[in-house]
Amino acid sequence: DQQVKQNSPSLSVQEGRISILNCDYTNSMFDYFLWYKKYPAEGPTFLISISSIKDKNEDGRFTVFLNKSAKHLSLHIVPSQPGDSAVYFCAAKGSNYKLTFGKGTLLTVNP
Amino acid sequence: EAGVVQSPRYKIIEKKQPVAFWCNPISGHNTLYWYLQNLGQGPELLIRYENEEAVDDSQLPKDRFSAERLKGVDSTLKIQPAELGDSAVYLCASSHGSPGYEQYFGPGTRLTVT
Repeated sequence: DQQVKQNSPSLSVQEGRISILNCDYTNSMFDYFLWYKKYPAEGPTFLISISSIKDKNEDGRFTVFLNKSAKHLSLHIVPSQPGDSAVYFCAAKGSNYKLTFGKGTLLTVNP
Repeated sequence: EAGVVQSPRYKIIEKKQPVAFWCNPISGHNTLYWYLQNLGQGPELLIRYENEEAVDDSQLPKDRFSAERLKGVDSTLKIQPAELGDSAVYLCASSHGSPGYEQYFGPGTRLTVT
């Protein structure tokens, strides 16, 4: 049973436009959410996070939105740059501190 | 600040052979994690250490997998004997605090079992 779902395996956007990556979860005990970015042949890199007591967190071009009632979070990248092309993983933390990851979404930003 | 170091980066072995992976976490990070990542999947936790103690090894297949973190710094993950299905990327991560939410990952070891 997949508790963290990223239903879009891939997303393609034009440089300068907004990228929106989505993530859904099923476990209401998750209290902290993170986004990681991964380039080929590298480990995931922490990008941005949000606590369940907030509904928005912003860091430069990256904003994460959390809708607890819908068990949905999204990552917005504005403006998108070619260097943002990577696989993005959504992860959620439960009470046991374990991170549960989604399968990832491959973002391609076209020049 | 140096990141998480893992070696080897790539390993090819025949089935039934043993294999070991090494991880050096970020200096000062007391929590260390080993993850398994299959193709097209997100990382899955195998074991978490806080200092020398394995505090969560519920996902570690103990019949063939073992891990140690003797001095609370470096860690080794071993598979003996390896099976074809063990082919994957093995990621090590570390965090500050008990446990820190933001985990920092190494580049991983890509294992191929033939």
